[in-house]
Amino acid sequence: DVKVTQSSRYLVKRTGEKVFLECVQDMDHENMFWYRQDPGLGLRLIYFSYDVKMKEKGDIPEGYSVSREKKERFSLILESASTNQTSMYLCASSLSGQQKNIQYFGAGTRLSVL
Amino acid sequence: AQSVTQLGSHVSVSEGALVLLRCNYSSSVPPYLFWYVQYPNQGLQLLLKYTSAATLVKGINGFEAEFKKSETSFHLTKPSAHMSDAAEYFCAVSGGGSYIPTFGRGTSLIVHP
Repeated sequence: DVKVTQSSRYLVKRTGEKVFLECVQDMDHENMFWYRQDPGLGLRLIYFSYDVKMKEKGDIPEGYSVSREKKERFSLILESASTNQTSMYLCASSLSGQQKNIQYFGAGTRLSVL
Repeated sequence: AQSVTQLGSHVSVSEGALVLLRCNYSSSVPPYLFWYVQYPNQGLQLLLKYTSAATLVKGINGFEAEFKKSETSFHLTKPSAHMSDAAEYFCAVSGGGSYIPTFGRGTSLIVHP
């Protein structure tokens, strides 16, 4: 089974802090994704990566950056956390490039910014 | 461009009743369609997918969905709801050269005893 592991289930941070959310997948998937999930808004794509050191902006990249130094690891960075970034963050991975490929999700990190 | 509309942010059924969760999509090319389920405090997991083979797709836990091109729909059904089916359900579409799915806003299924 594919396993996507997010390092923290719950995080509480203060406004202005730099926050790192880590995600690791164990199935050698080329693609990795970061979403945020908010009630009534569904999943919104923040960033994705199709290869090591490659990244593409999603629908809502403002206030976020990402890093992919190794194939299995994809990090989401909040440079200066703000209260409107309080949300559930989901990491996902998939095989390369095919439209019908399934995404595999981690359990999520619930971030509260105070 | 592609989009997904899930009708009803909440659906409430009694245990043993039919479950029907509605999904309509918009796509300029033949779509690939997915239903994912999210149980409380968990990530999403695939329930079933349509990839242009049979129009009636069977998934896990007794769920199935029918692709209807003329109606641009991919509704999810289960004949008899179980308490354990209570979860958030997401419909998603990909296609047209993009492997990144577009997700609907989700429907929360509530099952009453």
